[in-house]
Amino acid sequence: RKEVEQDPGPFNVPEGATVAFNCTYSNSASQSFFWYRQDCRKEPKLLMSVYSSGNEDGRFTAQLNRASQYISLLIRDSKLSDSATYLCVVNIGGNKLVFGAGTILRVKS
Amino acid sequence: NAGVTQTPKFQVLKTGQSMTLQCAQDMNHEYMSWYRQDPGMGLRLIHYSVGAGITDQGEVPNGYNVSRSTTEDFPLRLLSAAPSQTSVYFCASSYVGAQFEQFFGPGTRLTVL
Repeated sequence: RKEVEQDPGPFNVPEGATVAFNCTYSNSASQSFFWYRQDCRKEPKLLMSVYSSGNEDGRFTAQLNRASQYISLLIRDSKLSDSATYLCVVNIGGNKLVFGAGTILRVKS
Repeated sequence: NAGVTQTPKFQVLKTGQSMTLQCAQDMNHEYMSWYRQDPGMGLRLIHYSVGAGITDQGEVPNGYNVSRSTTEDFPLRLLSAAPSQTSVYFCASSYVGAQFEQFFGPGTRLTVL
């Protein structure tokens, strides 16, 4: 079983739609959680951290469920520019991040 | 600031050849790392360093060597290239204690024939 699992998608949505991605992790001792964004043939960049209480950054909301060991990312009012691969990332401690394989989002006009 | 730079951008090798992928950062980050990214798999950590003179193995270190003689540079050496090492390689850096925010270079696309 992979340490971090994501639905690879692709998720094809129209502009203005709300879309949600989930990610599960296997290591219950994982310490912190993040979402990265990776545009096609580019490097990953940090999108947002995920806190136990949930957090929001504009149209993006991230949530953590430690009991069920999953993380979610909700994007409201999708824009064409949101098209990218979204990587779920888990800090398992000891200076090590584990990256999921990513979920592809395609927003179409 | 240039951030994290990597050279070359593309490389084709024959099986058995060796080469060095270069990585440099100008943000004075203590932590640097190398990842490889393959289709359907997440980025996998190859080697990392928490400061000059200190390196350690990641998840997939076999076939690769690293050294860290300065804070700025963290080269990755392929000792004897194999087709299984065909991948996209990313170098990243961050402050120690803030590894969650990795700053990645643009990547090197390596093909081993």
